[in-house]
Parts: sequence; structure tokens; C-alpha cells
Amino acid sequence: QVQLQESGPGLVKPSETLSLTCTVSGGSVSSGSYYWSWIRQPPGKGLEWIGYIYYSGSTNYNPSLKSRVTISVDTSKNQFSLKLSSVTAADTAVYYCARGHLAPGCFDLWGRGTLVTVSS
Amino acid sequence: DIQMTQSPSTLSASVGDRVTITCRASQSISSWLAWYQQKPGKAPKLLIYKASSLESGVPSRFSGSGSGTEFTLTISSLQPDDFATYYCQQYNSYSFTFGPGTKVDIK
Repeated sequence: QVQLQESGPGLVKPSETLSLTCTVSGGSVSSGSYYWSWIRQPPGKGLEWIGYIYYSGSTNYNPSLKSRVTISVDTSKNQFSLKLSSVTAADTAVYYCARGHLAPGCFDLWGRGTLVTVSS
Repeated sequence: DIQMTQSPSTLSASVGDRVTITCRASQSISSWLAWYQQKPGKAPKLLIYKASSLESGVPSRFSGSGSGTEFTLTISSLQPDDFATYYCQQYNSYSFTFGPGTKVDIK
């Protein structure tokens, strides 16, 4: 079955750029049915949608993060990636990649999540 | 931006209880509402989409209702595996927002 797996550094220094990759296995990121998303959850807090990308490369981002976020897709590697610039301690969170549907607007498959801590 | 609220924030219940969680949107979202269950250290799991459609494999004791700005998630008979945090999530105009969550714990 389709699985998602996040990877990337667990520790990032303040003001630097957080970079994560999500590898899709058992399925294709080029499927036209899905929107590939990033969602985060600060420790002990709720969920925040970061943004999504379609296999064609079209993106949409949370307005509150838009100035710092870039999501890209590499169909040859069956991966999509997140870059979040100028990070602060407030960006410390578990970052999830997820498979989304615009209709009906939900996320039906999630990675296990990866904790990224912002600290010097 | 559409804001989501949930009530209660915490709910204490016993096995076998009927449990209802309410989610409200700051403006109409038609039926574009999903519910998730999250257990500690785990990713959220989709339970309900489009307000009332049960995701494949989810037990039928879970049900959702509502439209517009007010929605409910009901667990008809709470089971030991159901103690968790529940989140609602809206979709509107290519943007998504989650509610703050409702923790269901053991009474």
C-alpha cells in the first residue's frame, strides 16, 4: 500500500532554513488525484496546514507562512520537499507529510512525522 | 481566513458512553469538513470526510453531521481504543484549517 516517509535534519539553527523531504512508496506522486501536503504540530499543540503541491508543480500555501515556505516536487524520485526559511523557536514542531484531496478537502494518508527542533 | 472552534476542549467519558463533539466554522464551509483521531506520538487518522462520509475501515460507531457552520462528531458507544484527541478540519478556497482539538479521556 502507499506509504509516506519524512526525512531531514532534526535540529536547525535559528535564522537558517529547514529542509524536509517526503518519499512516496507504493504509489506515484504523479497521480493526478492527489495534492501532496505538509502539516506541522508544535509539541503539545494543534495541527497547522503549511501548504500543498500538485504533481504539475502548482502550489498553495498557508497565508501565515507563505513568505517563508517553498514546496517542490521531484517526480523522478517520487518525492516532494519543504523548505521553511528564517526559522525561529516557534517553528519547532513535528512535521508531517500527507496526501490530500481537494474534493472532498481532506488528508487520507499521513507519514509518521519527524520532529524538527530549532535551537542554537 | 476561516477560523475553527471545537467544544468541549476536554471530555471525560466512560466506555459505552455516547460522545458528541461540536465544531464551528467562522463562515459557511458547506460540507467541506473532516474529522481526525490522533493518539499520542502518532499521526492523525481520517475518520469522516465531507461532514458525514465514513472513511473506509473506520468503525460505524463514528458518525458525522452538519453543514454550513456547525458540525458534530458522534461516537455512539465509546470503546477503549477511542480515548484520543479529535480534530476537525475545514477546506475552503484551496486552504485548510484545523480546529484546536478535543481530548477524550477516561472518566
